[in-house]
Amino acid sequence: NAGVMQNPRHLVRRRGQEARLRCSPMKGHSHVYWYRQLPEEGLKFMVYLQKENIIDESGMPKERFSAEFPKEGPSILRIQQVVRGDSAAYFCASSPGIAGEETQYFGPGTRLLVL
Amino acid sequence: DAKTTQPNSMESNEEEPVHLPCNHSTISGTDYIHWYRQLPSQGPEYVIHGLTSNVNNRMASLAIAEDRKSSTLILHRATLRDAAVYYCLLNSGGYQKVTFGTGTKLQVIP
Repeated sequence: NAGVMQNPRHLVRRRGQEARLRCSPMKGHSHVYWYRQLPEEGLKFMVYLQKENIIDESGMPKERFSAEFPKEGPSILRIQQVVRGDSAAYFCASSPGIAGEETQYFGPGTRLLVL
Repeated sequence: DAKTTQPNSMESNEEEPVHLPCNHSTISGTDYIHWYRQLPSQGPEYVIHGLTSNVNNRMASLAIAEDRKSSTLILHRATLRDAAVYYCLLNSGGYQKVTFGTGTKLQVIP
């Protein structure tokens, strides 16, 4: 069973461009979470999605950021008009359910650098 | 906001046991205690979790206080590969997000 996959692993964008980060959850997992990690800091929750639904986007900036988890295909975190402050590692996690004992399985992350 | 507090950093000598503490004084009856760790330049990985009773697995042991307001992750013999940031967090399930705090950075000294 393949783990959580994220691509690209590294992404370089110039200010004003768009960044698209993809996450394929583990097989059988229908819950996806996105986190952002700035250098030397902890993980900050961004958004929690279930297939075709955004459950909680309270950690996501209101502008320029969006996320989706379509019925088919990977989850996408989209950042429009990137700025230097968006440079960070973005991690995706998936889980099979929502019970308190469910664990999250993390991908290797996408490291975004905005020039 | 994180519902747990952990020391920022700890040191351990190689092959000695390590006890990583976590305080969660506002824990509710339905909160599971989870531990993850993040090795340098990697995504977090699950370590262990528990509800009320102490738990053991191949990676570590989890000791939970009787009042559940604190817990301790125990690495029985630290190795250099255990150097990581260890996160303690609570998960009550349902459509609730989990919050990672700043974690404890464990340094293992050869």
